[in-house]
Amino acid sequence: GAGVSQSPRYKVAKRGQDVALRCDPISGHVSLFWYQQALGQGPEFLTYFQNEAQLDKSGLPSDRFFAERPEGSVSTLKIQRTQQEDSAVYLCASSSRLAGANTDTQYFGPGTRLTVL
Amino acid sequence: ELKVEQNPLFLSMQEGKNYTIYCNYSTTSDRLYWYRQDPGKSLESLFVLLSNGAVKQEGRLMASLDTKARLSTLHITAAVHDLSATYFCAVDDYGQNFVFGPGTRLSVLP
Repeated sequence: GAGVSQSPRYKVAKRGQDVALRCDPISGHVSLFWYQQALGQGPEFLTYFQNEAQLDKSGLPSDRFFAERPEGSVSTLKIQRTQQEDSAVYLCASSSRLAGANTDTQYFGPGTRLTVL
Repeated sequence: ELKVEQNPLFLSMQEGKNYTIYCNYSTTSDRLYWYRQDPGKSLESLFVLLSNGAVKQEGRLMASLDTKARLSTLHITAAVHDLSATYFCAVDDYGQNFVFGPGTRLSVLP
């Protein structure tokens, strides 16, 4: 597609439920990033993939958060046993460059707004 | 650990006026990005600054980077209502991710 797409756009979960958020990056982009954006704040890094390899997951807030990109394209962010503090917008971004290389920005998807009741 | 600050956090300005948003960061980097975010929308890339002294301009917006001062500026010339949005700077930490500032929420009033 022309840009990064994410689904669902909105998700309401009851506390304790598991959720799965999907990201389709720009075709051919090697790098894929997940960010969490709380209301009124800037995005905060969660995890990074280079192709199918998860090279950095240092931003994942707890072991309830899990991300995968098994074939190096589509990625899924899974949150188990959701808590109210997980409520946020989850943004996915992709980039054609490899970490440490020059140029190219990250292109962001529309985000998934997760509300945990 | 890389820290990114923006100043001001909130800015209300009259149409036709000029103003500057500042982005400071705490460690060495020569790759800085500016994004715009409209309410309920995702981030739109505005500028990519990849070297000391880099200056980019698009319409009423101009961005610059001073890597020695660890400072980037986003200058707004003759503001119009359509520029109302939240502006984020992000710094590449030479790792795998961007570190974002807290954002500057700009309101341009008629």
